[in-house]
Amino acid sequence: GAVVSQHPSWVICKSGTSVKIECRSLDFQATTMFWYRQFPKQSLMLMATSNEGSKATYEQGVEKDKFLINHASLTLSTLTVTSAHPEDSSFYICSASQSTEAFFGQGTRLTVV
Amino acid sequence: GDSVTQMEGPVTLSEEAFLTINCTYTATGYPSLFWYVQYPGEGLQLLLKATKADDKGSNKGFEATYRKETTSFHLEKGSVQVSDSAVYFCALRVGLETGKLIFGQGTTLQVKP
Repeated sequence: GAVVSQHPSWVICKSGTSVKIECRSLDFQATTMFWYRQFPKQSLMLMATSNEGSKATYEQGVEKDKFLINHASLTLSTLTVTSAHPEDSSFYICSASQSTEAFFGQGTRLTVV
Repeated sequence: GDSVTQMEGPVTLSEEAFLTINCTYTATGYPSLFWYVQYPGEGLQLLLKATKADDKGSNKGFEATYRKETTSFHLEKGSVQVSDSAVYFCALRVGLETGKLIFGQGTTLQVKP
């Protein structure tokens, strides 16, 4: 199947700094990618839909100025957590679709200290 | 709104035991239903799916039947192996956006030799 790669797998940052997470489709082009967030023992919650060459679509309750999404090419979407705070600590997962199936990255564990 | 509820884990079984992980859903339309598996350190992988009522998805010995009357999509396997130890996510998709999914909270399965 298709491969989606996420980087980094884990990151620790200081409160107030920004962190960028990359999501790449390695062997296919993805006009749309999705970003999810998972809290411990909870569901993956869709944060936003990333559209190549246009603005991302955010789900209700997700701060677009906090979570900046850029989808500059057909194989790369980035999520930047700006001015991170401890409550932003979470597991972030991206996905990209090919044909009728969604493929997921391995996730990024963000810890803000 | 649309939602998915999974049985809480962790589920601990001995090798060759029978597995059932319950999943029920609430949806306003006619969703497609999925089971994803996440092995340690890896991304989510599609395990099986069903797109309409009474469909049975199957893969690697796992099965799940789309039951519209009970709004359920329970995952079963007749004889689990240690290598099946992972986190299992039930999910639904309403509409045509293949990557936009609503997930259950995930169930951790641990199989002991």
